[in-house]
Amino acid sequence: GQNIDQPTEMTATEGAIVQINCTYQTSGFNGLFWYQQHAGEAPTFLSYNVLDGLEEKGRFSSFLSRSKGYSYLLLKELQMKDSASYLCAVKGGYNKLIFGAGTRLAVHP
Amino acid sequence: KAGVTQTPRYLIKTRGQQVTLSCSPISGHRSVSWYQQTPGQGLQFLFEYFSETQRNKGNFPGRFSGRQFSNSRSEMNVSTLELGDSALYLCASSLDPGAAYNEQFFGPGTRLTVL
Repeated sequence: GQNIDQPTEMTATEGAIVQINCTYQTSGFNGLFWYQQHAGEAPTFLSYNVLDGLEEKGRFSSFLSRSKGYSYLLLKELQMKDSASYLCAVKGGYNKLIFGAGTRLAVHP
Repeated sequence: KAGVTQTPRYLIKTRGQQVTLSCSPISGHRSVSWYQQTPGQGLQFLFEYFSETQRNKGNFPGRFSGRQFSNSRSEMNVSTLELGDSALYLCASSLDPGAAYNEQFFGPGTRLTVL
């Protein structure tokens, strides 16, 4: 079967660092995406990993380990505007994009 | 460049009715994917169209159907609506679904409420 797991909710403090984990089991793997979705808005692309290792993009970094079926999104220097849902999605067989249920992050002052 | 547009933004229907949702992709994008988003389930893949052909299909009943036109605009139809069909329906467009890196750009969604 196909399964993507992420924590349902997380809270963090402004200025801190938070790591959102994602584990997956899919038939086929053609890359892993992270999306950000603010309440009532469309998801927007954050990062893409297809090879093992860390991809850094400003305050956001994403890590992938294909052998472990594991990824994380690291958010540094948290800001209030980072309060949103973060969606992990795997491009599996036939290039079908499969999403996890999302992690709702609340950033407090 | 204009983004992905979806119409209508909000819809209220009653059980048993049918509904058609529309999606216009970013200019030049030939692939359109549809997703259903509910609070408990997250984004569930419905289907993907490329060059007017359905390339992928999720695990939804036959009441859910779609099509794509020659200008890449896409419609999805849900017949015999059920209460459980209440959800946000998102459309995403991309350049080339066959490419490993293929960023999808999402529209604002259509919020469907079934009473």
